[in-house]
Amino acid sequence: GAVVSQHPSRVICKSGTSVKIECRSLDFQATTMFWYRQFPKQSLMLMATSNEGSKATYEQGVEKDKFLINHASLTLSTLTVTSAHPEDSSFYICSARGSGAPNTGELFFGEGSRLTVL
Amino acid sequence: QKEVEQNSGPLSVPEGAIASLNCTYSDRGSQSFFWYRQYSGKSPELIMFIYSNGDKEDGRFTAQLNKASQYVSLLIRDSQPSDSATYLCAVTSTGRRALTFGSGTRLQVQP
Repeated sequence: GAVVSQHPSRVICKSGTSVKIECRSLDFQATTMFWYRQFPKQSLMLMATSNEGSKATYEQGVEKDKFLINHASLTLSTLTVTSAHPEDSSFYICSARGSGAPNTGELFFGEGSRLTVL
Repeated sequence: QKEVEQNSGPLSVPEGAIASLNCTYSDRGSQSFFWYRQYSGKSPELIMFIYSNGDKEDGRFTAQLNKASQYVSLLIRDSQPSDSATYLCAVTSTGRRALTFGSGTRLQVQP
């Protein structure tokens, strides 16, 4: 299957600082990547769809000015949590579809990034 | 109504037994259905997918789909303690490229 790598796996920061999370597709080109967030004992909630070379599409209720997404190349999407607050503490996971055929539609996930805001 | 519903569990089964995990979805336009396994603190990993009504078997796993009832299930035969995890049901939704996930069912396999 396709390989998606995410970095960092864990980050602890002070309230008010910004944190950048990187998501890379290692063995395929991903024109679209998806950013999910997962709070403890809850499901994955889609935050935004990252589109290479264009603006990201945000889900309802997700602040685009707080969660900045950049997808400047076919293998890299970044999520920046700006002015992070304790309520932003969560598990952030990126994902992408493989580019090969047949396209079975499944998503391949990065390792996830655990953000803790103090 | 949630788009994808799962019983949160925990579902506890003895080692060697069959574990049955269920999922219902609300979007009749959903075409593809996926089961992911997620260990605590880790990201989800794909177990299997199913598109057509009926059963699909892959090793110890069998996915069952009934589009008329908007129901998909996962059977795990000969359950092992290493199968203990949260199982997430995911579906494609009309007009959306991302997958929509259920809240997951926590499975505990007792040795």
